[in-house]
Amino acid sequence: GAVVSQHPSRVICKSGTSVKIECRSLDFQATTMFWYRQFPKQSLMLMATSNEGSKATYEQGVEKDKFLINHASLTLSTLTVTSAHPEDSSFYICSAEGQKNYGYTFGSGTRLTVV
Amino acid sequence: GNSVTQMEGPVTLSEEAFLTINCTYTATGYPSLFWYVQYPGEGLQLLLKATKADDKGSNKGFEATYRKETTSFHLEKGSVQVSDSAVYFCALGRTGGADGLTFGKGTHLIIQP
Repeated sequence: GAVVSQHPSRVICKSGTSVKIECRSLDFQATTMFWYRQFPKQSLMLMATSNEGSKATYEQGVEKDKFLINHASLTLSTLTVTSAHPEDSSFYICSAEGQKNYGYTFGSGTRLTVV
Repeated sequence: GNSVTQMEGPVTLSEEAFLTINCTYTATGYPSLFWYVQYPGEGLQLLLKATKADDKGSNKGFEATYRKETTSFHLEKGSVQVSDSAVYFCALGRTGGADGLTFGKGTHLIIQP
């Protein structure tokens, strides 16, 4: 079946630094990848949608200069949280969609803690 | 716009009890409907899905039927186990993808032995 690998699973960083999260589709080509954010005990909120080779589309209220998304290949998308602050601490999850993978397969998530 | 409403939790049941988690939606067109499960500290796992009206998704004893007339996709299981304790999310998406999913707030299910 379709597998999406996301890492790191946990990261702690200092305020003001940047953190990169990777999302890889292991056995299919992901034409579209989605990045979500989940606050404690809340639902997932879509942050942005990225298509391979083009700029990401950000949801309203999401700062594109703070959350940089790169989808350079059909199997890899990255989310970089720039100049992280404690309020950026959250659980970030990616999902990937490909031609033969209908069902939105999710990565295992990244717990970001900014201290 | 699209929205998903599911019952608030936590829902606490005894082992072998019958489970129902209600989910209703509003959407334009004919979305696909999903149930995802999230275990503590982990990402989301697709539990089941239905792509058109009257479809029934089923997996691991769980099932849900896409009811267009009531705009519902309630999750049911006849006999729950302690290992079913998790957070369950109802979600909808446009068939074929490209727009991401709209999630409900999640229902925390606790099964007591």
